[in-house]
Amino acid sequence: GAVVSQHPSWVICKSGTSVKIECRSLDFQATTMFWYRQFPKQSLMLMATSNEGSKATYEQGVEKDKFLINHASLTLSTLTVTSAHPEDSSFYICSARDPASPAETQYFGPGTRLLVL
Amino acid sequence: DAKTTQPPSMDCAEGRAANLPCNHSTISGNEYVYWYRQIHSQGPQYIIHGLKNNETNEMASLIITEDRKSSTLILPHATLRDTAVYYCIVRARRTGNQFYFGTGTSLTVIP
Repeated sequence: GAVVSQHPSWVICKSGTSVKIECRSLDFQATTMFWYRQFPKQSLMLMATSNEGSKATYEQGVEKDKFLINHASLTLSTLTVTSAHPEDSSFYICSARDPASPAETQYFGPGTRLLVL
Repeated sequence: DAKTTQPPSMDCAEGRAANLPCNHSTISGNEYVYWYRQIHSQGPQYIIHGLKNNETNEMASLIITEDRKSSTLILPHATLRDTAVYYCIVRARRTGNQFYFGTGTSLTVIP
């Protein structure tokens, strides 16, 4: 199957700083990528849909000014958590939609664990 | 969006078939059923998908009822490495085809 990578795999930062997470589709071009967040013992929660060359679409309740998404190329989307606080500590996962798949299957990255102190 | 219902947890003996059910009674005609699994602290892994017909790949089989209101994921010979949370997802109809995850089924394969 298609491969999606994320960087970094984990990050620890101080409260008030910004953190950037990268999501790359390694062997296919993804016009659409998605960002999820997962808290311990909970399911994945969709945060936003990232479209190459246009603004991201955020789910209800997700602050677009806090979670900045940039999808500048067909293989890279970035999520920046601005002015991070301890409550932003979570497991962040991206996925990319494979346009070659008739069912538009999504492939997920390995996730980035963020800890805000 | 079609919603899915899965049992919260299941056990399966190692080497036996694991049958994971999913109810999606409000699915519409053009919506696919996808199955993913998430092993602890990893990103979800794609398993299989289907529309109307039963499907099989190297990982699993997917049985979809004729009315498409439910499906079953079958792992033919479960191993300890199959212990994970399994998610059944029906693709959203809204633009962008987002996936919305339910709570899934936590499968424990027992030695």
